[in-house]
Amino acid sequence: NAGVMQNPRHLVRRRGQEARLRCSPMKGHSHVYWYRQLPEEGLKFMVYLQKENIIDESGMPKERFSAEFPKEGPSILRIQQVVRGDSAAYFCASSPPGLVTDTQYFGPGTRLTVL
Amino acid sequence: GQQLNQSPQSMFIQEGEDVSMNCTSSSIFNTWLWYKQDPGEGPVLLIALYKAGELTSNGRLTAQFGITRKDSFLNISASIPSDVGIYFCAGHLPTDSWGKFQFGAGTQVVVTP
Repeated sequence: NAGVMQNPRHLVRRRGQEARLRCSPMKGHSHVYWYRQLPEEGLKFMVYLQKENIIDESGMPKERFSAEFPKEGPSILRIQQVVRGDSAAYFCASSPPGLVTDTQYFGPGTRLTVL
Repeated sequence: GQQLNQSPQSMFIQEGEDVSMNCTSSSIFNTWLWYKQDPGEGPVLLIALYKAGELTSNGRLTAQFGITRKDSFLNISASIPSDVGIYFCAGHLPTDSWGKFQFGAGTQVVVTP
């Protein structure tokens, strides 16, 4: 049973370009979470999605950031017109369906560098 | 902003020593989680706590959910070199959606032979 997959592992973009980060949850998992981690800091919650639904996006910046988890395929975190401050590690986690969703399994992360 | 205060920020210990770290908050949490993160990897869940006063062990790791529900502690006994890494606490606020956790800034553990 493969774990949470994220790709790419490293992504370099110039200011103004778009970044697309992909996350494939563990098999059978229907909840996906995105977190951002700046150097020397803990993870900051961004968004919680279930298939085709955004449950909680209270941690997402209001502009340039969007996330989706379609019926088929991976979850996508999209950052438009990237700026240097977007440079960070972005982690995806998934959990199985059910009321207790604390067992979040994390992927290896995508390290975004904005030049 | 950051609602969890995790300390110490870093620890340099000798192999065989015990390690203690904690997280405190001014808010009440209903779940506490402890994770370990190795360089270049995602966090791995170590222990989950659900009730005030709960004490849970996982091998050489022991964690407790504080009675006030505003803090949690993680102890590592008889440290070994592979304990090196960053340890994070994470808590769930009762007012947040189930998937949303607040993370501490981490405790960097370095073990010397």
